Amino acid sequence: NAGVMQNPRHLVRRRGQEARLRCSPMKGHSHVYWYRQLPEEGLKFMVYLQKENIIDESGMPKERFSAEFPKEGPSILRIQQVVRGDSAAYFCASSPQGIRYEQYFGPGTRLTVT
Amino acid sequence: ELKVEQNPLFLSMQEGKNYTIYCNYSTTSDRLYWYRQDPGKSLESLFVLLSNGAVKQEGRLMASLDTKARLSTLHITAAVHDLSATYFCAVDKDYGGSQGNLIFGKGTKLSVKP
Repeated sequence: NAGVMQNPRHLVRRRGQEARLRCSPMKGHSHVYWYRQLPEEGLKFMVYLQKENIIDESGMPKERFSAEFPKEGPSILRIQQVVRGDSAAYFCASSPQGIRYEQYFGPGTRLTVT
Repeated sequence: ELKVEQNPLFLSMQEGKNYTIYCNYSTTSDRLYWYRQDPGKSLESLFVLLSNGAVKQEGRLMASLDTKARLSTLHITAAVHDLSATYFCAVDKDYGGSQGNLIFGKGTKLSVKP
């Protein structure tokens, strides 16, 4: 059973470009969470999604960031017009429906904005 | 606002010594998680503590939870170099029965020296 998969693992973008980060949850998991980790800091919650629904986006910046988890396919975190401050590691986690305390993390995508 | 505070943030230990990392939190959540992160890697789940008084041990690490004091501890016994990593505690935001997003502390960077 494959774990949470994220791609790409490393992404370099110039300022003003768009970044698309993908997350495939574990098989059977319908809950996806995105977190951002700045250098030397803990993870900060960004958004919580279930299939086709955004449950909580309270940690998401109001502009340039969006997330989706379609009925088919991976969850996508999209950052438009990236700036240097967006450089960070972005982690996705997934959990199965109905189980409160199991959250599995993917390997992360390290975004560098030049 | 939910807050999770760890201390110390940096810890340099000698092999063979014991030490404790503390995690205080401001929410009423009774579920607390400890993770380990190696440089450039994802998060590895160490312990999930689900109730007041819970104590779990794995090798040289032991975690406990006091929900009344809103305090968890991670105790390291006879440290070895392999334990060098950053340790995070986290609590989850309760959505009234379903899995919530995690609120992380800033992490404790542990360095074990010979």
